[in-house]
Amino acid sequence: EIVMTQSPATLSVSPGDRATLSCRASQSLYSNLAWYQQKPGQAPRLLIYGTSGRATGVPARFSGSGSGAEFTLTINNVQSEDVAVYYCQQYTKWPPLTFGGGTKVEMK
Amino acid sequence: EVQLVETGGGFIQPGGSLRLSCAASGFSVSSTYISWVRQAPGKGLEWVSNIYPDNTTYYSDSVKGRFTISRDNSKNTLYLHMNSLRTEDTAIYYCARAITISGIVRWCLDVWGQGTTVIVSS
Repeated sequence: EIVMTQSPATLSVSPGDRATLSCRASQSLYSNLAWYQQKPGQAPRLLIYGTSGRATGVPARFSGSGSGAEFTLTINNVQSEDVAVYYCQQYTKWPPLTFGGGTKVEMK
Repeated sequence: EVQLVETGGGFIQPGGSLRLSCAASGFSVSSTYISWVRQAPGKGLEWVSNIYPDNTTYYSDSVKGRFTISRDNSKNTLYLHMNSLRTEDTAIYYCARAITISGIVRWCLDVWGQGTTVIVSS
């Protein structure tokens, strides 16, 4: 099973900041890495697929990068509506599909 | 509008059974790759099961032998049959659609339902 580790657990940012979220896999994922945003009381929403592909309707301030086993989600110019928990997910080797433990983005 | 709607959750005693439904609109489940993902209270996301259009299925070790995924194409609906429920199965259950790129499935999930809550407790 591929283990996904996200850091930090919580990230406090101010509006307009850049937020950098990290995701590490226990083995190489090639580019098969997705990011999701989950706001309180809502279902997850796909943000990024294939490491850097932006899903339909996702603002350009969200970007994904990385390779091998190290990946990053960057949120430029953080807005108040970006407060959420962000999860990474690998789909290279499964079952099982595996998710990271999440990074909570909060406003200072 | 492309949409998934889960129903069927509820309160059930340990050892009981429940059937969750996932009704699709805006696309046909017969040709779609679908996952079930769950989220225990205050916890992260946990994959449960996948189904292919040809009805090939996969399950997590934690539910294998107890849960079964099936599909009724005439109703455009998928089901998760849950037997021998345990307290640790308590969670919000989501169904979600996997994306396809150039006809190849990529098991990341672009359409999610709102979820249905299952509480297993005595």
